[in-house]
Amino acid sequence: EAQVTQNPRYLITVTGKKLTVTCSQNMNHEYMSWYRQDPGLGLRQIYYSMNVEVTDKGDVPEGYKVSRKEKRNFPLILESPSPNQTSLYFCASRPGLHTGELFFGEGSRLTVL
Amino acid sequence: QKEVEQDPGPLSVPEGAIVSLNCTYSNSAFQYFMWYRQYSRKGPELLMYTYSSGNKEDGRFTAQVDKSSKYISLFIRDSQPSDSATYLCAIRSYNTDKLIFGTGTRLQVFP
Repeated sequence: EAQVTQNPRYLITVTGKKLTVTCSQNMNHEYMSWYRQDPGLGLRQIYYSMNVEVTDKGDVPEGYKVSRKEKRNFPLILESPSPNQTSLYFCASRPGLHTGELFFGEGSRLTVL
Repeated sequence: QKEVEQDPGPLSVPEGAIVSLNCTYSNSAFQYFMWYRQYSRKGPELLMYTYSSGNKEDGRFTAQVDKSSKYISLFIRDSQPSDSATYLCAIRSYNTDKLIFGTGTRLQVFP
């Protein structure tokens, strides 16, 4: 089954404790992206990657890091989480930069205390 | 001014009603228009995708784009309780990656 898989789905952590949200897709897509979804603000892009070893900032990259060492994986790293990073996070992928539309994972709800 | 404006709702309708969901956008350079459906505790899934002005129909769903008014709509005919979800409009320009989402309209269809 074609899918984008995120882990963990739910996480409660404390300020400053580094965490990683993993994302993996099995569709051989070149393009992957991370979004956060907040009430009243909608989906906002954090980072995206057009291919292996190619990443770029989205609209709200501060406080986040990403890496793309393999085509299928695109982890999101919060080096020192803060309460304003409490949000619902989605990983998404699509075949190429301008081809096709996004397939989303099921989301990771993060709470930073 | 936000690039895409969408009424957050909630919108509550009886089963069988015709539903109209709408977004307005500010930049005439946007050329691709999409509607995503998001069920509770799930990721958004693509519902409709249109490129030009006019209507596109898929079963009970019709997407309408009016570029002159910068207005996009999604119509749902014979709405069902299973249509209860949040509907997100999304737009992008021709040669960029950037997909801009509306904030979503929450729809509830009651039996």
